[in-house]
Amino acid sequence: GQQLNQSPQSMFIQEGEDVSMNCTSSSIFNTWLWYKQDPGEGPVLLIALYKAGELTSNGRLTAQFGITRKDSFLNISASIPSDVGIYFCAGQLKGGSEKLVFGKGTKLTVNP
Amino acid sequence: SAVISQKPSRDICQRGTSLTIQCQVDSQVTMMFWYRQQPGQSLTLIATANQGSEATYESGFVIDKFPISRPNLTFSTLTVSNMSPEDSSIYLCSVWANYGYTFGSGTRLTVV
Repeated sequence: GQQLNQSPQSMFIQEGEDVSMNCTSSSIFNTWLWYKQDPGEGPVLLIALYKAGELTSNGRLTAQFGITRKDSFLNISASIPSDVGIYFCAGQLKGGSEKLVFGKGTKLTVNP
Repeated sequence: SAVISQKPSRDICQRGTSLTIQCQVDSQVTMMFWYRQQPGQSLTLIATANQGSEATYESGFVIDKFPISRPNLTFSTLTVSNMSPEDSSIYLCSVWANYGYTFGSGTRLTVV
């Protein structure tokens, strides 16, 4: 089935640094989503992208839907300790209520 | 977005037994999904549960092992049957509502 290649697998950064992670696929997706999962919790939606080239921000988070529709990135600026968690990209081939395909996640550690 | 209550939040079970996980939503939703997240891994869709029809299972998952009920538009259960240590995972329900996905907090299952 479709796969999303998410990188990096893990990141260790200092508080205040910027972070970038991305997802790529060999398939074209109609929707890209970025989630964060805290320990003991389910994933929480951070940003949803619906159009190729779309650049969307949510506070210190910025994500873009790649022009080719086969990739997306998430940037976090000026990281803080509560940014710690696992970030997942997810895509939908068709959009709407179609099932999600998840990347393997990026585990972020922020050192104060 | 919809609010999901998932029970139990965690359990430790003996191999060979079965566990039923409940997912209650605060609003009526057509589509509910069950995911498995193995330790340190991403989310894998087990099945889609629509009210009034049989659940649709993804490749690698079968009804005998993961029977699902969907008696109404606000509730679903997933049973993990005849458990083995390999079934130790986080199980999450998710709903499609208000043009987005919401996830429950998950059930952390340990099989000993």
